[in-house]
Amino acid sequence: EPEVTQTPSHQVTQMGQEVILRCVPISNHLYFYWYRQILGQKVEFLVSFYNNEISEKSEIFDDQFSVERPDGSNFTLKIRSTKLEDSAMYFCAKKNTEAFFGQGTRLTVV
Amino acid sequence: DQQVKQNSPSLSVQEGRISILNCDYTNSMFDYFLWYKKYPAEGPTFLISISSIKDKNEDGRFTVFLNKSAKHLSLHIVPSQPGDSAVYFCAASHLGGYNKLIFGAGTRLAVHP
Repeated sequence: EPEVTQTPSHQVTQMGQEVILRCVPISNHLYFYWYRQILGQKVEFLVSFYNNEISEKSEIFDDQFSVERPDGSNFTLKIRSTKLEDSAMYFCAKKNTEAFFGQGTRLTVV
Repeated sequence: DQQVKQNSPSLSVQEGRISILNCDYTNSMFDYFLWYKKYPAEGPTFLISISSIKDKNEDGRFTVFLNKSAKHLSLHIVPSQPGDSAVYFCAASHLGGYNKLIFGAGTRLAVHP
């Protein structure tokens, strides 16, 4: 199965700043996801994206979050005004039946 | 809302012995179950899955058992190897489509010589 590549691997940002996390699924999968894992906690679903539209989002995915697939290949997660509690590992995933995850972006909000 | 539970945060097993990781779920609508392995600072890696029409699925050293009546599944690793040391996550979903995965809290497996 082709890899899911995420950039950057680590991002440090000041509280209140905007961040964009990027994912290149490298496939023709239709379903893409963002998950996150706060240190020491479980992996949590954020949002699913199907056919260039959000198909489902969790209560974590509030108005500060947005997703796009701007050029049909890259898949981005934007956090408009970061908070300290947004610090986590963010994972992009693609799915048919099994979900295949990228290596993650560690976001640190200071 | 803990729909998927892994009640053992850690497990220690001797190399060569069997590792058994357990998972319980509460939502009877789940029909697809997966196990992922995760190393620190990496994404979850898919190991093995099972649909609700089966009660067992085997892939090499890994076997997943599903008991639908008990809403319980387990992952058996035989024989355990030091390279198996990682955090193992159970996940549940509805088969097909865009349905999200619901993860358990994970079990940290340590395989020692």
